[in-house]
Amino acid sequence: EPEVTQTPSHQVTQMGQEVILRCVPISNHLYFYWYRQILGQKVEFLVSFYNNEISEKSEIFDDQFSVERPDGSNFTLKIRSTKLEDSAMYFCASSQLGDRGRETQYFGPGTRLLVL
Amino acid sequence: AQKVTQAQTEISVVEKEDVTLDCVYETRDTTYYLFWYKQPPSGELVFLIRRNSFDEQNEISGRYSWNFQKSTSSFNFTITASQVVDSAVYFCALSEAYGTGNQFYFGTGTSLTVIP
Repeated sequence: EPEVTQTPSHQVTQMGQEVILRCVPISNHLYFYWYRQILGQKVEFLVSFYNNEISEKSEIFDDQFSVERPDGSNFTLKIRSTKLEDSAMYFCASSQLGDRGRETQYFGPGTRLLVL
Repeated sequence: AQKVTQAQTEISVVEKEDVTLDCVYETRDTTYYLFWYKQPPSGELVFLIRRNSFDEQNEISGRYSWNFQKSTSSFNFTITASQVVDSAVYFCALSEAYGTGNQFYFGTGTSLTVIP
């Protein structure tokens, strides 16, 4: 069964460093998403991406964040200068269509980011 | 205001007991979609079910059942004859068809522990 994959599974970085989290969405999916989950808290939406551009983003997704689909398979989240509060589990998700909410989003296993 | 409320933070049951996880949502849209995801200790988010606002029929899948009631804005999840493998955090999520696009709004999750 196709699934969303994410690399790395864990990332430790120093405050101020740049990190790139990678995701390979399900191959026939067209919409891609990033969410984050601070330890013990709920999953929060960061950004959605379609047709090589951001379709929606939350307040969390400030100028330190960027997303990119550098090739036909990868979808990346870059944090330009990490802060301690960026420590969280980051989930990538994809859906076949956006279709105004009706499509199920399938989540990857997450990347646990720790900023020291 | 929270769009999705899961009032039960933690629940413990003894194996083989039935357990119901509550989810209350809030939306002004007439068309919306509700989801349940399971997050086992390994951390990934596993899709369980999707429900649209026009379909109030309850659903049963094996030991899992869902009770959707628009009158009370609730979408509760029952596990019958619970097993140790059911131990996980369960998230309810809402997606609205209009206005805000594709993002999912997650509740804070209910941590279920099934004691052998």
